[in-house]
Amino acid sequence: AQSVAQPEDQVNVAEGNPLTVKCTYSVSGNPYLFWYVQYPNRGLQFLLKYITGDNLVKGSYGFEAEFNKSQTSFHLKKPSALVSDSALYFCAVRDGTNNNAGNMLTFGGGTRLMVKP
Amino acid sequence: KAGVTQTPRYLIKTRGQQVTLSCSPISGHRSVSWYQQTPGQGLQFLFEYFSETQRNKGNFPGRFSGRQFSNSRSEMNVSTLELGDSALYLCASSWGQGLSGFFGQGTRLTVV
Repeated sequence: AQSVAQPEDQVNVAEGNPLTVKCTYSVSGNPYLFWYVQYPNRGLQFLLKYITGDNLVKGSYGFEAEFNKSQTSFHLKKPSALVSDSALYFCAVRDGTNNNAGNMLTFGGGTRLMVKP
Repeated sequence: KAGVTQTPRYLIKTRGQQVTLSCSPISGHRSVSWYQQTPGQGLQFLFEYFSETQRNKGNFPGRFSGRQFSNSRSEMNVSTLELGDSALYLCASSWGQGLSGFFGQGTRLTVV
């Protein structure tokens, strides 16, 4: 079984400050890791993913995430937060070793990011 | 290129009724996955279809079913609706396996 934990329900940060949204995962095989953002009454928008290669992954809107295998973490970061970054963020994992997993993703509970002016 | 289209956007049904939701994937995408999002349970995987075949199924009762057509459009059906089925239902399409899924706007189902 696979699981994702997002330990913080909400993260508050001032505009212009760096932000981090935490994610840890558990999967039996190689992890495929994803970050999505959701704005009110909208679907999920893809931000970035880690499949293999460099541990630091750069994504949309200036976001990046660092894959840390030893700590089984995939934290989302941005050097300078914007008020418009305020939204709900989801981390997700898929077992990359399991060919039968298809595109089935297991999501974390989500973290609400509040960026204040 | 058009994105993933889900219809309808909003739906109100009465307990005991059934409902059918539709998802049109991005052109050329053959995989469609369905998720249920609720405040209490978060995002939960329902099922995935690939080339008209169900490839995976989540832990949901048999009242939840789906299918995929030859043009990759997918429908999900919920029979004998319960109040707890009220949720945002999201579908995601992908070209192949292990790729980032592109999500639709979702269908907000309210069961009264």
